[in-house]
Amino acid sequence: AQSVTQLDSHVSVSEGTPVLLRCNYSSSYSPSLFWYVQHPNKGLQLLLKYTSAATLVKGINGFEAEFKKSETSFHLTKPSAHMSDAAEYFCVVRLFGNEKLTFGTGTRLTIIP
Amino acid sequence: EAGVTQSPTHLIKTRGQQATLRCSPISGHTSVYWYQQALGLGLQFLLWYDEGEERNRGNFPPRFSGRQFPNYSSELNVNALELEDSALYLCASSLGLDSSYNEQFFGPGTRLTVL
Repeated sequence: AQSVTQLDSHVSVSEGTPVLLRCNYSSSYSPSLFWYVQHPNKGLQLLLKYTSAATLVKGINGFEAEFKKSETSFHLTKPSAHMSDAAEYFCVVRLFGNEKLTFGTGTRLTIIP
Repeated sequence: EAGVTQSPTHLIKTRGQQATLRCSPISGHTSVYWYQQALGLGLQFLLWYDEGEERNRGNFPPRFSGRQFPNYSSELNVNALELEDSALYLCASSLGLDSSYNEQFFGPGTRLTVL
């Protein structure tokens, strides 16, 4: 079975400071991993994806994530937070050959002006 | 290019009634997925349709059902509504099974409230 654990339900950072949203995964096989963002009253948008190519993945809006197999982690980072980054972020896992996405419980990111 | 669309935006029903939610995928996409986002339960996979067939089903009772039409649009039906069915229902679409990587694009959702 596959699962993801988002270690923080809520993260607050000041504008201009780095963002770190933590995610650990559990999977018996090689997983595909994703980060999605959900702004209030909007649908989910894909930030970035890992599909067994480069372990450091760059996404949209300056976000990136590093796949670390030894630590079973896929943490999301951004060097400098912007007010528009305030949203709910979901770490997601998908097994190879299975289209079902398994979502983490989400991390709400608050940006302090 | 139009994204995934869902209707209605909001739906209010009473216990025991039936709800029908609709989804139109991105043009060219043949797979449609349904997810439930309920308070306290997070986002959970409900159903996956591709080329008109149900391909996978999440851990939900049979009163959650759906179908996919020849134009690839989809309906989600929830029978005998219960209060705990109140949630945001998200639809996603992707390219079909013969694609090497199927990114799922999400619609804005239908908020179902059961009174």
